[in-house]
Amino acid sequence: EDQVTQSPEALRLQEGESSSLNCSYTVSGLRGLFWYRQDPGKGPEFLFTLYSAGEEKEKERLKATLTKKESFLHITAPKPEDSATYLCAVEMNAGNMLTFGGGTRLMVKP
Amino acid sequence: IAGITQAPTSQILAAGRRMTLRCTQDMRHNAMYWYRQDLGLGLRLIHYSNTAGTTGKGEVPDGYSVSRANTDDFPLTLASAVPSQTSVYFCASSEEAGGAQETQYFGPGTRLLVL
Repeated sequence: EDQVTQSPEALRLQEGESSSLNCSYTVSGLRGLFWYRQDPGKGPEFLFTLYSAGEEKEKERLKATLTKKESFLHITAPKPEDSATYLCAVEMNAGNMLTFGGGTRLMVKP
Repeated sequence: IAGITQAPTSQILAAGRRMTLRCTQDMRHNAMYWYRQDLGLGLRLIHYSNTAGTTGKGEVPDGYSVSRANTDDFPLTLASAVPSQTSVYFCASSEEAGGAQETQYFGPGTRLLVL
C-alpha cells in the first residue's frame, strides 16, 4: 500500500534555529512530490514540486530536497511567521491523485 | 484576485439533511478536486474531475456526489448527511490532470458540523 509519513508530528524551534522536516514515502512509481504550507483555518498553500531524486528547490528560508525514498524540507534561520503546518503529498504514475502525509506542525518562538 | 472560492465558509447541519458545498475557480483550470481533512487522518480525496463533463471517485467517495457541468464549478453534494461527515472540506484545482501542470491549488475550505 502506498504510504506517506511525515516526521516529526510537531517541532518547536527558537527563532534562528535551523532544522529539517522529513517526508518518507513508499509508492510505486513516484511522479512528483509536493510540499504545502497550511496556516490555521486556511487552505494549503503550494510551496514546491520535486520530480526526481537529487532535485532541490529553494524559496526564501525554505529548501526542499528529494531522494528515492524521502524528501526533506530544510528551514534555515526560521522566523515566527514560518510557524504553520507543513504537508507533503506524492503523485504516483497511475494518475493525478495526491496522497498526503499527516503533516508537521512547526512552531517558531521569538 | 484569481483563485478558488468556496461556500459556505461554515455550516451546522442536522443529520439526514441534504447539503451542497459550492466551489468555483476562475483560473480556467481543467482539473478539480474535493478533499476532506480530519485530525489524525490528513487530507483525503473524495472525488475529482479531470475535465468538464467527467468525474471520478477518490479514496473516500461514499455518501458524496459531484457534478462538473462547466469548467469553473464543481459542487459537492451530501445527499443525507451523517455525523461522520463532520470535517473540513477543501476544493482544489490544477491546470491539467497530470504532467507538468498538475500542481493543485486549494480553496479556503468549508467547515461542516453534522449533528
